[in-house]
Amino acid sequence: GAVVSQHPSWVICKSGTSVKIECRSLDFQATTMFWYRQFPKQSLMLMATSNEGSKATYEQGVEKDKFLINHASLTLSTLTVTSAHPEDSSFYICSARLAVSSYEQYFGPGTRLTVT
Amino acid sequence: AQTVTQSQPEMSVQEAETVTLSCTYDTSESDYYLFWYKQPPSRQMILVIRQEAYKQQNATENRFSVNFQKAAKSFSLKISDSQLGDAAMYFCALGTYKYIFGTGTRLKVLA
Repeated sequence: GAVVSQHPSWVICKSGTSVKIECRSLDFQATTMFWYRQFPKQSLMLMATSNEGSKATYEQGVEKDKFLINHASLTLSTLTVTSAHPEDSSFYICSARLAVSSYEQYFGPGTRLTVT
Repeated sequence: AQTVTQSQPEMSVQEAETVTLSCTYDTSESDYYLFWYKQPPSRQMILVIRQEAYKQQNATENRFSVNFQKAAKSFSLKISDSQLGDAAMYFCALGTYKYIFGTGTRLKVLA
């Protein structure tokens, strides 16, 4: 149980275009989803926290107009990278929390974004 | 501010031997969890072990165990009988309403 999927697993886009990454909780309803960014050989850095039906909370230094997060349902959150640039190339990982009372997060397999 | 520190960028262990990965943390929260995650080359985050802060007993999962020293804010991971499949990045994480990750320790297992 507690499976989280991401789509696509790898995406290449041209500079200036936008790209959307989906995160789904497959067998549970997620009250909260999280988006992380991981550069090569570095740790996971939290970008934002999203709760179903409300605006995402962004971490300091994360441009909310560039990284649009939508949590439209209890099983789906999307991250849209707008006007992508090569420096946005990274590994993006989402996670989902099962319940408000639980601190444990379940991680998706990640999405590799390459901006050319 | 909440912080997690992993002071060992890389560790090596002989197959079948035991290795300990260190982690220290800081938080003002009274209710929190601590986690160790394994990230293999596939980059899928795999939960190794979890510890609830209110529990004094150290968590154990088969060959993996922790030494949780709450007063010292220390949370080390011991891997016994190391296997080649244990080679990966290991991240310590402090869990409250969000996770804070350490910088990771790359574990190499030598045959």
